[in-house]
Amino acid sequence: GGIITQTPKFLIGQEGQKLTLKCQQNFNHDTMYWYRQDSGKGLRLIYYSITENDLQKGDLSEGYDASREKKSSFSLTVTSAQKNEMAVFLCASSTPDRGYEQYFGPGTRLTVL
Amino acid sequence: QQKVQQSPESLSVPEGGMASLNCTSSDRNFQYFWWYRQHSGEGPKALMSIFSDGDKKEGRFTAHLNKASLHVSLHIRDSQPSDSALYFCAAASSGSWQLIFGSGTQLTVMP
Repeated sequence: GGIITQTPKFLIGQEGQKLTLKCQQNFNHDTMYWYRQDSGKGLRLIYYSITENDLQKGDLSEGYDASREKKSSFSLTVTSAQKNEMAVFLCASSTPDRGYEQYFGPGTRLTVL
Repeated sequence: QQKVQQSPESLSVPEGGMASLNCTSSDRNFQYFWWYRQHSGEGPKALMSIFSDGDKKEGRFTAHLNKASLHVSLHIRDSQPSDSALYFCAAASSGSWQLIFGSGTQLTVMP
């Protein structure tokens, strides 16, 4: 088994601030993902990284940057936080061995004041 | 139009009852389907995968796939309060790194 760790669990920022969320996985999976989830609704893909040196934009990449520092870690930066923005950011990883089934972390809850 | 559509948006069933969740896709390239479950305050977890037409049963959970009609369903028998959660259908094409998620069904099981 393995685990995905996301830090911090709760993140409070000011409008216009640059904020960074971190994700670590010990599954040894090649592919990692960042999603945004608003108010218990569906998942929207922000960025994903197929392998260690790869970065791909999802449908919701505007306003975000991502960085795959090494195979086990994937960071997401909110470049300029928007007031009243509240969402949960979920990190996931996958492997082709299981048909790219994705394993999720517990999420980082962002509040912008 | 969303490629994966779920219904209903919310569902309430009594404890011990049957819950039925539905998912329809609009992309015939989708070959692989999952049901994910997300309890409040947690990340989603894969509940079941189904890749072939027909039924797949795991304990109280049965998934059904009909690729011709692009329809997948999840049936939960003897529903328990612990089954109360947000359920997502997800689909993928062969060789794709992306899962396409539906918007979810909020299931409430009433004691």
